[in-house]
Amino acid sequence: DQQVKQNSPSLSVQEGRISILNCDYTNSMFDYFLWYKKYPAEGPTFLISISSIKDKNEDGRFTVFLNKSAKHLSLHIVPSQPGDSAVYFCAASTTFSSGSARQLTFGSGTQLTVLP
Amino acid sequence: KAGVTQTPRYLIKTRGQQVTLSCSPISGHRSVSWYQQTPGQGLQFLFEYFSETQRNKGNFPGRFSGRQFSNSRSEMNVSTLELGDSALYLCASSLDRNPEQYFGPGTRLTVT
Repeated sequence: DQQVKQNSPSLSVQEGRISILNCDYTNSMFDYFLWYKKYPAEGPTFLISISSIKDKNEDGRFTVFLNKSAKHLSLHIVPSQPGDSAVYFCAASTTFSSGSARQLTFGSGTQLTVLP
Repeated sequence: KAGVTQTPRYLIKTRGQQVTLSCSPISGHRSVSWYQQTPGQGLQFLFEYFSETQRNKGNFPGRFSGRQFSNSRSEMNVSTLELGDSALYLCASSLDRNPEQYFGPGTRLTVT
């Protein structure tokens, strides 16, 4: 049972335009959401995150939106650059009853290609 | 500040052998988590350590184990290797009570 889903395996966008990557989740216990970027043969790089008490978080060209009622989040990249071409993973986290231990549940990733 | 480091970067083993992978977290990070990435299953959580104690474990067989040392460095061990254990093993560190995890470059394990 996939608790975090990225339904688009790939996305192509023209340089300078907006890239929108989507993610859906099913577990209402998730209280923190993160986006990671991954290049081949490297570990994921943390990009941006959002707590479930917010609906938007912005960091430079990256903005994450959270719609809790729809259990949906999206990552907007504006403007898109060729260097943004990578696989993007969304991840969700739950605070365990201990209040401290967390694990990340990842989506399957979306390959973003930004065309020059 | 140095990032998460993992050694070795690449490893080739044969079925039935065992392997130990090492991870050094970012200085000051006491929580270390391990993940397995495969083409079929994606990124899956293995276990998390804090203060030398395993706090959480994913759905993997007992052949997968780990430990953490007093300096927060961590190792994971896979015994009786199977072909399906071929994967990229990623280590991530974080500050306690902070959900943002920072990943190392991974160890690419190939089992033949």
